[in-house]
Amino acid sequence: RKEVEQDPGPFNVPEGATVAFNCTYSNSASQSFFWYRQDCRKEPKLLMSVYSSGNEDGRFTAQLNRASQYISLLIRDSKLSDSATYLCVADYNNDMRFGAGTRLTVKP
Amino acid sequence: NAGVTQTPKFQVLKTGQSMTLQCAQDMNHNSMYWYRQDPGMGLRLIYYSASEGTTDKGEVPNGYNVSRLNKREFSLRLESAAPSQTSVYFCASSEWGRTDTQYFGPGTRLTVL
Repeated sequence: RKEVEQDPGPFNVPEGATVAFNCTYSNSASQSFFWYRQDCRKEPKLLMSVYSSGNEDGRFTAQLNRASQYISLLIRDSKLSDSATYLCVADYNNDMRFGAGTRLTVKP
Repeated sequence: NAGVTQTPKFQVLKTGQSMTLQCAQDMNHNSMYWYRQDPGMGLRLIYYSASEGTTDKGEVPNGYNVSRLNKREFSLRLESAAPSQTSVYFCASSEWGRTDTQYFGPGTRLTVL
């Protein structure tokens, strides 16, 4: 069983839609959590950190539920440029464990 | 600033050949990492170097060696390549203890025949 599990998708949504991704992690000692974005054939780039209190960055909202060991990402008002693969990450002592990613395609 | 650079971008090897993947960063980061990414598997940590002079095994170190040449450079060596090592290899760097500052290089696509 992978340490970090994500629904691979693909999620195909129209522009302007709201889409949510969930991710679960198995190491309860994980200390930090992140969402990364990866465009096709490119390197991953940090989208946002995830905090227990929940955090928002523009159209993106991330949430962490430590009790249930899941992380979520909500994207509102989807843009064509949001099309990418979104990677969930759980970090324990600088050993970062990545999910396999959820692919999102936003269509006109 | 170039950030994190990797060479080569592409490589094809025959089984049993050796090669070294090079990585350099100009962000004055203490920590550097090597990952591999395979379809359906996500990124997996091969080795990391918390600071100059130290290296540690990650999740999948078998078949690889690393050298932290100086603060800027961290190389990954395949001594005897195997088809199972066909993958995309990413180098990354960060401030130690600050994985939220982790930046990735553009990757090396390696095929082992």
